[in-house]
Amino acid sequence: AQTVTQSQPEMSVQEAETVTLSCTYDTSESDYYLFWYKQPPSRQMILVIRQEAYKQQNATENRFSVNFQKAAKSFSLKISDSQLGDAAMYFCAYRGATNKLIFGTGTLLAVQP
Amino acid sequence: DVKVTQSSRYLVKRTGEKVFLECVQDMDHENMFWYRQDPGLGLRLIYFSYDVKMKEKGDIPEGYSVSREKKERFSLILESASTNQTSMYLCASSPAQSGSNQPQHFGDGTRLSIL
Repeated sequence: AQTVTQSQPEMSVQEAETVTLSCTYDTSESDYYLFWYKQPPSRQMILVIRQEAYKQQNATENRFSVNFQKAAKSFSLKISDSQLGDAAMYFCAYRGATNKLIFGTGTLLAVQP
Repeated sequence: DVKVTQSSRYLVKRTGEKVFLECVQDMDHENMFWYRQDPGLGLRLIYFSYDVKMKEKGDIPEGYSVSREKKERFSLILESASTNQTSMYLCASSPAQSGSNQPQHFGDGTRLSIL
């Protein structure tokens, strides 16, 4: 069975600095998708960024980028120029042959002014 | 934009009650999902549905059932609520294409307390 591990329960970053959130996963599938979701306090979970496993190029969405290492089964999220609005719980998620998402336990990111 | 609406943000019920959590999506998505979210455990899948009147068990279905009579609506039912079902419940939907990169879209969540 597939698993997703986020080893950092909490992280903190200064405003305007860069922070990297870690995610590793375990799977025997060769075709899959990886996602980072953001859940602000008391607000809706939204998609931050996605990566197809067959693509070697790392996905980028404005200040958010990933470092996808397929052989190492690692999928970290880098947030550049951190803003106060980036404070949230971040979840890494895996989707393989089914449409089911497997989530990590989350990383709570605090942004210090 | 996809809209997934959950009927209640906060709900308080008593042990033994039958509880209904409702979810409606407006994007004609085939797939719908119910998760519970607990601190330190992330999101765990309770049930999901790929089509009307179709349901499949997720990872933690015990004590729950679901109903999907219409494509846009997916209901989660706690047959006899217990205190260990106090949690945040999230509904999500996604298009049907298997193997696509389409994300799931989430509702705001229902924070359920069982007293």
